[in-house]
Amino acid sequence: EAGVAQSPRYKIIEKRQSVAFWCNPISGHATLYWYQQILGQGPKLLIQFQNNGVVDDSQLPKDRFSAERLKGVDSTLKIQPAKLEDSAVYLCASSYRRSSGNTGELFFGEGSRLTVL
Amino acid sequence: GDSVTQMEGPVTLSEEAFLTINCTYTATGYPSLFWYVQYPGEGLQLLLKATKADDKGSNKGFEATYRKETTSFHLEKGSVQVSDSAVYFCALSDLTGGTSYGKLTFGQGTILTVHP
Repeated sequence: EAGVAQSPRYKIIEKRQSVAFWCNPISGHATLYWYQQILGQGPKLLIQFQNNGVVDDSQLPKDRFSAERLKGVDSTLKIQPAKLEDSAVYLCASSYRRSSGNTGELFFGEGSRLTVL
Repeated sequence: GDSVTQMEGPVTLSEEAFLTINCTYTATGYPSLFWYVQYPGEGLQLLLKATKADDKGSNKGFEATYRKETTSFHLEKGSVQVSDSAVYFCALSDLTGGTSYGKLTFGQGTILTVHP
């Protein structure tokens, strides 16, 4: 079974530039998550999709971050314009949902490391 | 809101030593508790979980017991190996009710280094 795919693995940009990250979840996983992991900290949820609808985006800085999952499969996270403090690893994860609810087991991609200069 | 606190790290041990990584949590509901591990160059992966009080999760020689009275979920292993060197994250998720979507709240992570 293929895992969660993310690209690019590494990206270096200057502040005020834009960047986009792509994620393809495990086939059949209805729930998709984007997490931000700053060096030395645990992952922090940015946005969560159930199919192509947003479930939770309360921690997403909406003035500069946007995300979409148009067909309920792959997803794109965009940052525009980037700030120095956006330097982090952006993790995509997916999970399947039973009729009784989610299991809590998330399957993570390897992440996209962003450096903002 | 929900939160998870892990012991200050990093942790450095010799092979075959006993490992404990402390984890405590704050939650309003009845969360499920997890330990995730991130090996060098790899993505986060689930190590073990417990869904209710007094449950013990175990995997690969690691164990953790859900202690509701102390709001803790400490990770233990009796004899660590060099291959256990990784970053360990404690996490919680409120899965109560069929409408929950399984959002995870993570601790800050503990770096474990095991020397031969």
